[in-house]
Amino acid sequence: DVKVTQSSRYLVKRTGEKVFLECVQDMDHENMFWYRQDPGLGLRLIYFSYDVKMKEKGDIPEGYSVSREKKERFSLILESASTNQTSMYLCASSFPGRTGELFFGEGSRLTVL
Amino acid sequence: GENVEQHPSTLSVQEGDSAVIKCTYSDSASNYFPWYKQELGKRPQLIIDIRSNVGEKKDQRIAVTLNKTAKHFSLHITETQPEDSAVYFCAAEEAGFQKLVFGTGTRLLVSP
Repeated sequence: DVKVTQSSRYLVKRTGEKVFLECVQDMDHENMFWYRQDPGLGLRLIYFSYDVKMKEKGDIPEGYSVSREKKERFSLILESASTNQTSMYLCASSFPGRTGELFFGEGSRLTVL
Repeated sequence: GENVEQHPSTLSVQEGDSAVIKCTYSDSASNYFPWYKQELGKRPQLIIDIRSNVGEKKDQRIAVTLNKTAKHFSLHITETQPEDSAVYFCAAEEAGFQKLVFGTGTRLLVSP
């Protein structure tokens, strides 16, 4: 059973703080993704990675960066958090060639005050 | 890039009725279309998918249809049950990239 684990379910941060969201998967998946979920906007792709040390911008990368030093771990970084980054963040992983079958983590709800 | 539109945003039905959710996509090169279900407080999970070489696919009470010419695809749920209540997302795999573009979601409420 695929397991995608996000380090924090709920976070409260202040404007300007640096925020790290961690994601770990245990199925040796090459592909990993960070999505942001907002009511009425669906799931929007922030960044994704096909392999270790590789990263690609998604549809809304502004204000975010990522790190993939190990295959199983994909981190999302908010260098200077802003209130408009208050959201639910979902990590997902998949095998290459099976991108449609995403396995999601439970999500990290971030509130920026 | 690919753009996916989804309608309606909310859908309320009585138990036993059918429910239909519709999506359109913009890139005619897209050829893979999955549907995800997200129950309240839980993670999205893949429930059914369809490829462009197939017009319809069924799995028990759910089915998906695809019209490539019109660039739209739909999710059909028959004999709805309260446990079908959830947010449903359609998606399209962006051609040439290993990533999905999602619709904005449909909140389905099934009343007993």
